[in-house]
This record gives sequence, structure tokens and C-alpha cells, in this order.
Amino acid sequence: ETGVTQTPRHLVMGMTNKKSLKCEQHLGHNAMYWYKQSAKKPLELMFVYNFKEQTENNSVPSRFSPECPNSSHLFLHLHTLQPEDSALYLCASSQDRETDTQYFGPGTRLTVL
Amino acid sequence: TQLLEQSPQFLSIQEGENLTVYCNSSSVFSSLQWYRQEPGEGPVLLVTVVTGGEVKKLKRLTFQFGDARKDSSLHITAAQPGDTGLYLCVRTTDSWGKLQFGAGTQVVVTP
Repeated sequence: ETGVTQTPRHLVMGMTNKKSLKCEQHLGHNAMYWYKQSAKKPLELMFVYNFKEQTENNSVPSRFSPECPNSSHLFLHLHTLQPEDSALYLCASSQDRETDTQYFGPGTRLTVL
Repeated sequence: TQLLEQSPQFLSIQEGENLTVYCNSSSVFSSLQWYRQEPGEGPVLLVTVVTGGEVKKLKRLTFQFGDARKDSSLHITAAQPGDTGLYLCVRTTDSWGKLQFGAGTQVVVTP
């Protein structure tokens, strides 16, 4: 596979469930990002990882927990979410944190019931 | 927070027509990017503009960066159904790795 992949593409979960989103990039990049995209709102940056180290946490609630085991993989662990967390969650990567061009995955459409 | 304003929010046109979408800010952009997000996919970078007054062309797409670097426009000539998507204006910020996104213009081109 090439580019940035995300699984699952769709996820429906209850407020008491625990689930994880996975992102993998095959571009040899060193920086990875999680974004939240809600309808008619700008993309919101959630987390930034550079060389596996978290460099940005954009005031994200603790019910979202990121994990970056290596430069190619990024996870977003979800627990006790709220219905307003329903959105498209996009993963992106870039060569490094200083590079402005980001490559996005197709996203995971999350619905919280 | 300095906002990126995109207009219009939604645009529906017939195949073969021309269209222009706009991106404005009250502050100066260090550089500006346009992305297109097709249904069911993530955003894909179309172009980066850096210099005030710069014009870039990508086939039927023309991107213009305002002289004062506070605004930009995207013009599509003879639109095709494949141009359907959400067009996002993005500015780089002083913080490394942080891009600021506009809310986007949803373009629908019908055959």
C-alpha cells in the first residue's frame, strides 16, 4: 500500500465503549497528525507527533488518547466519548514537523450513539 | 484567533461553467495552500503560493495570491464533474507543524 491509510473507515460506538483508530503511513515521514473534521467547521488539529514524540496537544479532552509506537504508526484510543465527538477523524503525515505539506489519509467516520 | 474566511460556503454549477472561490483573512499569510477533499477521502494538496501577486495554474485551475498576501482566489474554467469536492484554504502559521484551515467551499458540478 502507498500513502496514508486509516482503519476502520467507519465506526459506530456507544458512549461506554472503548475503541481505537489506526493510521499508517508508507511515505517514510517523521511527523504525524490527528485532525477532527466536523460538518461546516474548519479542520481542528488534535495532536502532533514528531519522531514519535508528542509535540502538540491542542487542548483535547482526555477521553482521546494518542499513541505513536513508531514513525509509521499512529493510534487514537477512544473511551467514554460523547455524541458531539461524532466526526471524521483524519490522520496526516509530513516529512518532518517543519514541512508544510501534509498528506492525509481517507479518515475514519465516527458516530457516537 | 485569526480566522480564514472562505466564500461561498456552497456552490452548485453545471458542467462547462466557470467558478471562483475566495479565501480572506485579516492578517498576512506567510504562505497559503489550497487543498481539495473529494467525498470519502482526505484533503489533497493542490498548490502552495508564497509571493504576493503570485498566480499559479494547474490545468483548468488558476490560483491567485493577493498583493497584500491577505487573500487568495481559486478559479476553475470549464468545470467538470471530477472537480466536485470541498476546497480548503490553508495558511501556515508561525508554529511548526500547525496549519490553519478554513471551513471550505463545497463545490458540486453536475453533468
